[in-house]
Amino acid sequence: DVKVTQSSRYLVKRTGEKVFLECVQDMDHENMFWYRQDPGLGLRLIYFSYDVKMKEKGDIPEGYSVSREKKERFSLILESASTNQTSMYLCASKRAEVGSQPQHFGDGTRLSIL
Amino acid sequence: GQNIDQPTEMTATEGAIVQINCTYQTSGFNGLFWYQQHAGEAPTFLSYNVLDGLEEKGRFSSFLSRSKGYSYLLLKELQMKDSASYLCAARSGNTGKLIFGQGTTLQVKP
Repeated sequence: DVKVTQSSRYLVKRTGEKVFLECVQDMDHENMFWYRQDPGLGLRLIYFSYDVKMKEKGDIPEGYSVSREKKERFSLILESASTNQTSMYLCASKRAEVGSQPQHFGDGTRLSIL
Repeated sequence: GQNIDQPTEMTATEGAIVQINCTYQTSGFNGLFWYQQHAGEAPTFLSYNVLDGLEEKGRFSSFLSRSKGYSYLLLKELQMKDSASYLCAARSGNTGKLIFGQGTTLQVKP
């Protein structure tokens, strides 16, 4: 079974802090994704990565950056946290070659910015 | 533009059948996924359609009409554990990117 692990289930940070959310997958997947999930808005793509050291902006990249130094790890960085970044953050991964392969999700990190 | 619509909430009775609809307008449409998400948990994959027609997997079936930009998820013999959110997601182009609808929260009542 694919395992996508997010480092924290719950996180509380202060406005202006630099926040790191970590995601690790154990299936040698090339593609990795970061989403945020808000009530009434569904999952929105922040950034994704096709492979190591590759990254592309998703639909809402403002205020975020990412890092993919190793294939198994994809980090989301909030450069200077703001209260409107309070949300559920979900990481996902999938194999690159076959489009019909689903994305596999981690359990999510519920981030509160005070 | 990219847009996916699905009802926000639905209620059904244990043992019954429920159909959750999804309409999409997606450039370069290349397949549709359904996911189930229980409260506080990760979304889990249910089904994938790329060609027109019905795909059946046990109690769950999914249908796609590419010409109408329409899909539905059919849940038969509903059980209480089917109470969850159901997410419709369209694949755009040849990337792994998905565009998600807002999700349909299904409540199954005894």
